[in-house]
Amino acid sequence: QQQVKQSPQSLIVQKGGISIINCAYENTAFDYFPWYQQFPGKGPALLIAIRPDVSEKKEGRFTISFNKSAKQFSLHIMDSQPGDSATYFCASRSYNQGGKLIFGQGTELSVKP
Amino acid sequence: DVKVTQSSRYLVKRTGEKVFLECVQDMDHENMFWYRQDPGLGLRLIYFSYDVKMKEKGDIPEGYSVSREKKERFSLILESASTNQTSMYLCASSLLPGESNQPQHFGDGTRLSIL
Repeated sequence: QQQVKQSPQSLIVQKGGISIINCAYENTAFDYFPWYQQFPGKGPALLIAIRPDVSEKKEGRFTISFNKSAKQFSLHIMDSQPGDSATYFCASRSYNQGGKLIFGQGTELSVKP
Repeated sequence: DVKVTQSSRYLVKRTGEKVFLECVQDMDHENMFWYRQDPGLGLRLIYFSYDVKMKEKGDIPEGYSVSREKKERFSLILESASTNQTSMYLCASSLLPGESNQPQHFGDGTRLSIL
């Protein structure tokens, strides 16, 4: 079964620090790697995404780093804020399976003031 | 803004009941999905649909079925509810991938408890 392994399961960071969440995948047919952010009581929402032909994508304080040879990708949150406290999911999609996503296990991030 | 609406936020049912979870999207999306979310397991795909009257099994379809009679509506059915189906259920929709990467848009979930 295709898997995406996400770590850590939970993360506590001080305000202003850097939050780093890692994901590893197995299927080399994956062609799209989104990160979703979920606040309590809400559904996940797309945060940022990357394709495997680039090694890094940055949007504001959020950066995805992608290592195709290692089959790993990570989310970096710079200058973490209490408002970033949420659950984060990485995901991967195979180009030959339509819009189907395989999600990681999730990381619960808490940013302390 | 895309809106995915799930009919109930909280639902309590009894073992053996037939349970219907409803989802409606307002953006004419082709794809619709049902997931369940459990702590430490992430989101696991139950069923998805590319078009009306079309369905595909996801990773954990056992004990569930789906119905898509209209493009905007996708229903999840628990044929005979069991306590291990107590979970958060999330519905999502998206356009077909095509040349661009179409994100999935999620509803806010239905927290289902089976007693």
